[in-house]
Amino acid sequence: DIQMTQSPSSLSASVGDRVTITCRASQSISGYLNWYHQKPGKAPKVLIYAASSLQSGVPSRFSGSGSGTDFTLTISSLQPEDFGTYYCQQSYSTPMYTFGQGTKLEIK
Amino acid sequence: EVQLLESGGGLVQPGGSLRLSCAASGFTFGSYAMSWVRQAAGKGLEWVSGISGSGGSTYYADSVKGRFSISRDNSKNTVYLQMNSLRAEDTAEYYCAKVGSGGWNDYWGQGTLVTVSS
Repeated sequence: DIQMTQSPSSLSASVGDRVTITCRASQSISGYLNWYHQKPGKAPKVLIYAASSLQSGVPSRFSGSGSGTDFTLTISSLQPEDFGTYYCQQSYSTPMYTFGQGTKLEIK
Repeated sequence: EVQLLESGGGLVQPGGSLRLSCAASGFTFGSYAMSWVRQAAGKGLEWVSGISGSGGSTYYADSVKGRFSISRDNSKNTVYLQMNSLRAEDTAEYYCAKVGSGGWNDYWGQGTLVTVSS
């Protein structure tokens, strides 16, 4: 099975900061990497699919990059509503689309 | 507007059974694979099971293989998760999710809570 490892596990940042979260796959997954955002008590929402494609309706401050085993989610200017937990997910190993363990983002 | 509405969660004793349902609307249901994803309280997301658009192919995480069964009724736009031999570690919020063309989950339900306890 493909394992997904995110770092950091948690972080605290201020409004306006540039935030970067990384995700590493245990083997190459090409560009089959997705990012989700989940707020407490709510279902996850997809932000980025296929490593760098922005889901419709998602603010342009979110961007994704990477291929192979190393991927990055960047928030260019952190907003108060961006708190919550971010998950990466590989969709290479059909259909066992494993998730990373999550990165909890707190606003200072 | 795409909507996914789960139901069927509740309290069940260890060893018991439960069937979850997910009613879908707003898209051509039979054209898309569907997934079940669960999340224990305070924990991360765990992919549980998936089914192809036709229902001809089904997939399971090792943690539920042999105990859970996924199915769908495309005439009713509904996907099901039959859960047998339930264990305490199956306690979680269960989400159904539509699988987009590239494998990502583009729409999610609100979740249904399953609690396995005596």
